Amino acid sequence: DTGVSQNPRHKITKRGQNVTFRCDPISEHNRLYWYRQTLGQGPEFLTYFQNEAQLEKSRLLSDRFSAERPKGSFSTLEIQRTEQGDSAMYLCASKPGPVYGYTFGSGTRLTVV
Amino acid sequence: KQEVTQIPAALSVPEGENLVLNCSFTDSAIYNLQWFRQDPGKGLTSLLLIQSSQREQTSGRLNASLDKSSGRSTLYIAASQPGDSATYLCAVDNTDKLIFGTGTRLQVFP
Repeated sequence: DTGVSQNPRHKITKRGQNVTFRCDPISEHNRLYWYRQTLGQGPEFLTYFQNEAQLEKSRLLSDRFSAERPKGSFSTLEIQRTEQGDSAMYLCASKPGPVYGYTFGSGTRLTVV
Repeated sequence: KQEVTQIPAALSVPEGENLVLNCSFTDSAIYNLQWFRQDPGKGLTSLLLIQSSQREQTSGRLNASLDKSSGRSTLYIAASQPGDSATYLCAVDNTDKLIFGTGTRLQVFP
């Protein structure tokens, strides 16, 4: 059990560029979550997967955002045409089932300049 | 809509003090409540998980209680140390996603 792994740790991009983040959950965890956290705030839910199915998306997830989890393993979060307001920490979490606690990764810090 | 509130927003104490951090939530229909620690610029580390049927959990110097009927949880930190300095986040698992409070920023000085 190596924990939840997120890459890259940091990403600086110019406004208008596309970025993609990757999350590798704990191997036996079938549920995977994406959260976004801005400075001084608690994390906000973006979306979650059970295996490869995306079961819920927040209204925060505009049409510039897309997430995938092919084959129910790792997940990617893509942001198209980045804006300065997208600058935040993007956190991934996983858990093995509904009654279990969440395990978070170290996050990807995105800075849009 | 579930809302989670944490009080106080910030706390600065001398080493050795016993602390109580408070968390309240508006919808008592929760699966679990989880307390996390977050160091600056880092991810979240789980401290304690309280399932809805439980009243408290303990780990070392940490004790968390849950009162679903009143929508409250407390995190008790005994004999605080400078290494406890971090932001503490309370989160409720409601409709299969976590809803977070804004956290309590704790500073313990020697």
